[in-house]
Amino acid sequence: SQQGEEDPQALSIQEGENATMNCSYKTSINNLQWYRQNSGRGLVHLILIRSNEREKHSGRLRVTLDTSKKSSSLLITASRAADTASYFCATGFSGGYQKVTFGTGTKLQVIP
Amino acid sequence: GAVVSQHPSRVICKSGTSVKIECRSLDFQATTMFWYRQFPKQSLMLMATSNEGSKATYEQGVEKDKFLINHASLTLSTLTVTSAHPEDSSFYICSASLNNRVNQPQHFGDGTRLSIL
Repeated sequence: SQQGEEDPQALSIQEGENATMNCSYKTSINNLQWYRQNSGRGLVHLILIRSNEREKHSGRLRVTLDTSKKSSSLLITASRAADTASYFCATGFSGGYQKVTFGTGTKLQVIP
Repeated sequence: GAVVSQHPSRVICKSGTSVKIECRSLDFQATTMFWYRQFPKQSLMLMATSNEGSKATYEQGVEKDKFLINHASLTLSTLTVTSAHPEDSSFYICSASLNNRVNQPQHFGDGTRLSIL
């Protein structure tokens, strides 16, 4: 299965701290995406990193990709209570259309 | 931009009922839409890929006669759960891509929580 595995499954931090989530996958990818899901809602796209990129930033988010280790990390700096959500990585492949496979998710709780 | 609307947000109905869920891209044309199913505290499982003007491509293990998908226009895809039973109760989410090119993110609807009594 290509499904990514996120680590940790759950993470609880204090507001202002940094949160790091990791994603590992099994086979070659074209890109890796990170999404956020608030409870009972749809997913919000956060950032996409291509297989030939190693690091990408977007606001307080920093994503790294190591294709040799088949892993990625998402760092949220200076976390806020509003960052409380589940975070999923999704691996994308080429071939006709943009199909992705979602990982198991990390549930992040930011305590005010 | 890239807003996807999913309707209804919640459905509660009796066993045997057929339920239709709509997914609309409001401000862009979506050649491809995706339908997912999510069980509590689990990840999203892709059910099928819906391409405008052609038959949907179903993932292994998903019954195409049970989950009917229609993508009649570039802004609308529908998922019909036929003769729904309690085991079909789940959170169904659609998404759409701006185009078929590689490295395009998906834009998600807010999901439909289906409860079959």
